[in-house]
Amino acid sequence: TQLLEQSPQFLSIQEGENLTVYCNSSSVFSSLQWYRQEPGEGPVLLVTVVTGGEVKKLKRLTFQFGDARKDSSLHITAAQPGDTGLYLCAGAVDYGQNFVFGPGTRLSVLP
Amino acid sequence: GAGVSQSPRYKVAKRGQDVALRCDPISGHVSLFWYQQALGQGPEFLTYFQNEAQLDKSGLPSDRFFAERPEGSVSTLKIQRTQQEDSAVYLCASSSLGGTRSYNEQFFGPGTRLTVL
Repeated sequence: TQLLEQSPQFLSIQEGENLTVYCNSSSVFSSLQWYRQEPGEGPVLLVTVVTGGEVKKLKRLTFQFGDARKDSSLHITAAQPGDTGLYLCAGAVDYGQNFVFGPGTRLSVLP
Repeated sequence: GAGVSQSPRYKVAKRGQDVALRCDPISGHVSLFWYQQALGQGPEFLTYFQNEAQLDKSGLPSDRFFAERPEGSVSTLKIQRTQQEDSAVYLCASSSLGGTRSYNEQFFGPGTRLTVL
């Protein structure tokens, strides 16, 4: 059983469209991170959220941490081909614990 | 270099062969992590070092897996008597901070893709 679930598993959209991907768990997290991983590379950290209800923006990306700190979403506005990649969420149940990764959402943005 | 490097990038091993995977973290980084990423999955934690001390090896799947970081910089992950289920990408990450691990940014290397025939 996955501690973290991500949906959708795959997403293919046209350039310029908006999209939202989700990260859900039955566990409460002290912090949650989002990463993007491109083929043949390691994951690159996009954001860390620590407060329930927190919203962070990174250019066209908006990250939200659920009020109960059990879930998170990533919204991309006007997607571009450069956004293509595997989006991973990772949560730490307790401060000082290792992050556990979800299975990822594989996004493909077509020109 | 400026980032985390790993070698080799690709390794093909025959079942039963021993392999050694190397990680060069960012200079000065205290913490070093190893992860295993199976095809289509997220990374799974294997082990964690703070300097030369291996503080957590709870993720190592069997006693065939062994990791070391003798001088607190370069680390080696060794897999003995490889099995087909060991086929995966092995990722190394380093972090500038030690102690508690939450909130610390981990910088990942490109990984070593291991294929066991």
